[in-house]
Amino acid sequence: EVQLVESGGGLVQPGGSLRLSCAASGFTFSSYSMNWVRQAPGKGLEWVSYISSSSSTIYYADSVKGRFTISRDNAKNSLYLQMNSLRAEDTAVYYCASSFRYLARYWGQGTLVTVSS
Amino acid sequence: DIQMTQSPSSLSASVGDRVTITCQASQDISNYLNWYQQKPGKAPKLLIYDASNLETGVPSRFSGSGSGTDFTFTISSLQPEDIATYYCQQYDNLGTFGQGTKLEIK
Repeated sequence: EVQLVESGGGLVQPGGSLRLSCAASGFTFSSYSMNWVRQAPGKGLEWVSYISSSSSTIYYADSVKGRFTISRDNAKNSLYLQMNSLRAEDTAVYYCASSFRYLARYWGQGTLVTVSS
Repeated sequence: DIQMTQSPSSLSASVGDRVTITCQASQDISNYLNWYQQKPGKAPKLLIYDASNLETGVPSRFSGSGSGTDFTFTISSLQPEDIATYYCQQYDNLGTFGQGTKLEIK
């Protein structure tokens, strides 16, 4: 059974940092690209970042470029999102999602990040 | 960047009605389009992939069509459990989502 389990969310002050993790199981993690998607309270889905299977290709949404860093550890079947210089508008549920082309049915349950003083 | 324009943003319909949602891409995305259903507090659930393929286990009243830039999602006979927000998503280049359509029962 495929599972994606996010962790690391919480309350952080503006300007602070947080590191999200996503533990993957049930599929060959190292063969697939991965994504982070977020959803602000009461808002729609927003793609945040992409990383290829080998980490050779990385993309970010303009809204997080220069502040967020995506990474993965294929030996640990894990995906990460380092979030720095956090702003109130980064408050959202952050989802870990696998390849939209091949594994779009698999999403994590989400982890809530709240940026507030 | 590819932009996805989804309409309407909200929709009220009666049980048994046929419901249609449209999604337009800012450039040709072939058939690289997913449709998701999301209920409050839950992760999105994949309903349709490759624009028109029904995900395993999804009721046949859901369908999708289109290619290129114009896509349609249809519920042939609305059921009470279909109350949710629906999103289109292109995956030709990364993974842009439409703005969502909130479906309510009239």
